[in-house]
Amino acid sequence: EAGVTQSPTHLIKTRGQQATLRCSPISGHTSVYWYQQALGLGLQFLLWYDEGEERNRGNFPPRFSGRQFPNYSSELNVNALELEDSALYLCASSVGQVTGELFFGEGSRLTVL
Amino acid sequence: SQQGEEDPQALSIQEGENATMNCSYKTSINNLQWYRQNSGRGLVHLILIRSNEREKHSGRLRVTLDTSKKSSSLLITASRAADTASYFCASTSGGYQKVTFGTGTKLQVIP
Repeated sequence: EAGVTQSPTHLIKTRGQQATLRCSPISGHTSVYWYQQALGLGLQFLLWYDEGEERNRGNFPPRFSGRQFPNYSSELNVNALELEDSALYLCASSVGQVTGELFFGEGSRLTVL
Repeated sequence: SQQGEEDPQALSIQEGENATMNCSYKTSINNLQWYRQNSGRGLVHLILIRSNEREKHSGRLRVTLDTSKKSSSLLITASRAADTASYFCASTSGGYQKVTFGTGTKLQVIP
């Protein structure tokens, strides 16, 4: 069974540009979570999608947005990139609302120059 | 902001020793989980303890939960060099279950 896959693995952008990160959950999982992890720090909750709807959002500005497609894959968009957006972006999936384990991808490392 | 806080932030022990990490949280929870992260990689689930449980074991791992103190601890017994990683607690709470991670403990096991 394929795990959670994220792309790209690495992405380098300059300030003001837009970045798009993608996530494919485990087959049968309907929920996708996005987290930001700045270097050496903990995970900050960004977004939670379930059944195509945004269910919850962390304390991030509106330039962080995303969506979930009918096949449950998800996209995270970051507009007007700032230097402090440089981080590892982690996607996780679960079966519906979380009552158990989150399954994580290996992350997309975004560097903003 | 992170709901959970973990201590210590960093821990260095010799192989064979036990490692204990603590996690505190602020609101009532449905369950609490512990995850492991190797440097710059994704997180791997270790163990889940429900709010009505007080202790749980899985191999060399022992987790305790004290809901009155809003705290949990993870004990790794007989540590190995391969246990070197960052360990995070994650609490699940609320109607729309938001999973909030702690700040993490960086464990180094010296061979």
